[in-house]
Amino acid sequence: AQTVTQSQPEMSVQEAETVTLSCTYDTSESDYYLFWYKQPPSRQMILVIRQEAYKQQNATENRFSVNFQKAAKSFSLKISDSQLGDAAMYFCASGGATNKLIFGTGTLLAVQP
Amino acid sequence: DAEITQSPRHKITETGRQVTLACHQTWNHNNMFWYRQDLGHGLRLIHYSYGVQDTNKGEVSDGYSVSRSNTEDLPLTLESAASSQTSVYFCASSETGSRGYTFGSGTRLTVV
Repeated sequence: AQTVTQSQPEMSVQEAETVTLSCTYDTSESDYYLFWYKQPPSRQMILVIRQEAYKQQNATENRFSVNFQKAAKSFSLKISDSQLGDAAMYFCASGGATNKLIFGTGTLLAVQP
Repeated sequence: DAEITQSPRHKITETGRQVTLACHQTWNHNNMFWYRQDLGHGLRLIHYSYGVQDTNKGEVSDGYSVSRSNTEDLPLTLESAASSQTSVYFCASSETGSRGYTFGSGTRLTVV
């Protein structure tokens, strides 16, 4: 069975600083995908970044980047130059051939001005 | 623009009542999913469908049912609402697993 673990229930970062959110996963699939979703207070789920497991290069989207360590089954999210609007719940997710996503329990990120 | 909509946004119901939550998408996605979100549990899969007339149980399907009579809609029914089903419910759709999901805005259901 697939599992996704986020070991940091809450994190805090100062505005303009960098923060890293941790995620580990376990899957039996050889071809899989990893995602980070952001959920602001509006409750909307927003895709932040995605990574194909077969790609060695880490994905980046503007201030968001990942550190994908396939052998360690680790998929952390780095947010650079943190902004007040980055305050949200962040979910890590894993999916594969079945198209089903398995989500972690989330990390609540606070951004201090 | 294509979208995925859920209704209602909020609902309060009584224990034992049947409740149906609506999900409608205009992306023409074959894959549709229902999740519930609870603090400390993240999002857990309730039911999913890969196409018309196809439905499958997820990890927390007890007390829930779905039907898929067309591509656009996947309504979620709580047969007899229980307090343990108080939660936020999300519907999602996808073209392929590699692109991730498009989510609806969620329904907050309170069972009293």
